[in-house]
Amino acid sequence: EPEVTQTPSHQVTQMGQEVILRCVPISNHLYFYWYRQILGQKVEFLVSFYNNEISEKSEIFDDQFSVERPDGSNFTLKIRSTKLEDSAMYFCASRDRENTGELFFGEGSRLTVL
Amino acid sequence: DQQVKQNSPSLSVQEGRISILNCDYTNSMFDYFLWYKKYPAEGPTFLISISSIKDKNEDGRFTVFLNKSAKHLSLHIVPSQPGDSAVYFCAARPYSGNTPLVFGKGTRLSVIA
Repeated sequence: EPEVTQTPSHQVTQMGQEVILRCVPISNHLYFYWYRQILGQKVEFLVSFYNNEISEKSEIFDDQFSVERPDGSNFTLKIRSTKLEDSAMYFCASRDRENTGELFFGEGSRLTVL
Repeated sequence: DQQVKQNSPSLSVQEGRISILNCDYTNSMFDYFLWYKKYPAEGPTFLISISSIKDKNEDGRFTVFLNKSAKHLSLHIVPSQPGDSAVYFCAARPYSGNTPLVFGKGTRLSVIA
């Protein structure tokens, strides 16, 4: 069964460092998302991406964040200068053209900022 | 602003009995409601959904009920099995279509053998 894959599974970084989280969405999917979950809290939307551009972003997704689809398969989330409060589980998700709301999530990348 | 609320952080149920997970929402502009299941160290997995024009959707042991007047939905699992132990997230999709899902905080279900 096709799946969304994410790397790394866990990254530890120092505050102020840049981090890139990578995702390979399901190949025929057209819509891509990043969500995050801070420990014990709800899953929060960060950004959606369609047709090579951001279609929507939340207030969490400030200038420190960026997304890219550099080669038609990878979908990356970059945090330019990490803060302690960026520590969370980051989930990539994708969906196809049929919009029933169902998203397919990856297993997540745990980011720990020290 | 919590548009989707799951007020019970945890629930314990005996194997074979019914599990009922509840979700309330505040925004009338949702057209689809979904339940996701999440095991530790895995991403959320889609479980079942319901359109706002329906009041019930059933898939095997899982049934979702929607009460639009009360802005309430529930997920029933019967009979509950130990493998159902996970965190269950309620999510809602706004009418505007491509707007992303809004998630609740989740309810941790423990099914005791």
